Amino acid sequence: ETGVTQTPRHLVMGMTNKKSLKCEQHLGHNAMYWYKQSAKKPLELMFVYNFKEQTENNSVPSRFSPECPNSSHLFLHLHTLQPEDSALYLCASSQGSANTEAFFGQGTRLTVV
Amino acid sequence: DQQVKQNSPSLSVQEGRISILNCDYTNSMFDYFLWYKKYPAEGPTFLISISSIKDKNEDGRFTVFLNKSAKHLSLHIVPSQPGDSAVYFCAAGDGATNKLIFGTGTLLAVQP
Repeated sequence: ETGVTQTPRHLVMGMTNKKSLKCEQHLGHNAMYWYKQSAKKPLELMFVYNFKEQTENNSVPSRFSPECPNSSHLFLHLHTLQPEDSALYLCASSQGSANTEAFFGQGTRLTVV
Repeated sequence: DQQVKQNSPSLSVQEGRISILNCDYTNSMFDYFLWYKKYPAEGPTFLISISSIKDKNEDGRFTVFLNKSAKHLSLHIVPSQPGDSAVYFCAAGDGATNKLIFGTGTLLAVQP
């Protein structure tokens, strides 16, 4: 149990679908992150939220839309994705101060068909 | 342009021997470094970290070494155990942004 919970664990969606990934952290952290892990690539940072404010958008296409209603919850809304968007999407949280480690959820394995 | 590089995609080690995983970085603004371990179908779990003001940090069987002049860090696991078999990610961050930049990972296989 890492304190960071992601749902669903697996998701298959068509290119015209709209779906959302959910992340919840129970650690009292102030910062939350979305990462994408594709095969043979580094974990790619997508978005950073500090105290519910988006502080980083790492040139992510607009078909990915994050939402952070409070410090404990983070969503990633998906719309008209492409097959190359199939990947493991990982949520993480951290205390938000310097030199602290991020705690990861188990990820959502997304397949776009 | 990859700021954090793990040039060895895989490593195989005998049980009981030392495992050495390497990582190089390019951004001199990074001031802390972390290693994560990842099993299949799970998220990465934090293993050990080091601040740029140190050159070594030890925690049980795990030791991380930092060579700032070479922009290189390594993770030593000794003695290696079969349960250590996993993908190991190196990550680097700077305190100003709270962003962690990850390498591509090294798959460690510890043979019994």
